[in-house]
Amino acid sequence: NAGVTQTPKFQVLKTGQSMTLQCAQDMNHNSMYWYRQDPGMGLRLIYYSASEGTTDKGEVPNGYNVSRLNKREFSLRLESAAPSQTSVYFCASRRGGNLETQYFGPGTRLLVL
Amino acid sequence: GENVEQHPSTLSVQEGDSAVIKCTYSDSASNYFPWYKQELGKGPQLIIDIRSNVGEKKDQRIAVTLNKTAKHFSLHITETQPEDSAVYFCAASSGTYKYIFGTGTRLKVLA
Repeated sequence: NAGVTQTPKFQVLKTGQSMTLQCAQDMNHNSMYWYRQDPGMGLRLIYYSASEGTTDKGEVPNGYNVSRLNKREFSLRLESAAPSQTSVYFCASRRGGNLETQYFGPGTRLLVL
Repeated sequence: GENVEQHPSTLSVQEGDSAVIKCTYSDSASNYFPWYKQELGKGPQLIIDIRSNVGEKKDQRIAVTLNKTAKHFSLHITETQPEDSAVYFCAASSGTYKYIFGTGTRLKVLA
């Protein structure tokens, strides 16, 4: 099992450019998440998908869109990148029930100039 | 809104000493409290968790305690080793899909 994988690992964008961050999990989890991590602010939820076919806004959704392509894949799109979106982005999937927990990917480091 | 406060933000201990990180949550409906360890350049990894029907849980050198009345939970690491150096995050969940994370504690274990 690869767990949660993310691509790319690192990206530099110019202000106004667009890009899609890809995430996939092979653990057959229903729920998937996108977080951003900024110094001193911990992990903030951008969007989540409770199950295939559903998506919901988290704490900081402005400037982002998501697609739950199928049960495995959950992508995050920046339509017009801004310097404020410079961050490290983590995707996670959640195993529910009695063994509840979230599993995180390795992250995508994004720099917007 | 829902909030998790985590202290301290940085913690330095001598190798072999104990380390304690504390979190306070605001949502009284929270019933699941995981702790994650994040090493440099990697994603957070679950190290221990506790549910609201349990007051304490231990796994080798790591333990977590929960005080539901005070809405406090803490991570205790005993006999610290250099490889324990990392950023630690607490989180709280009320059984919905959302986790609320603390702001993290950078632990440095000095050899």
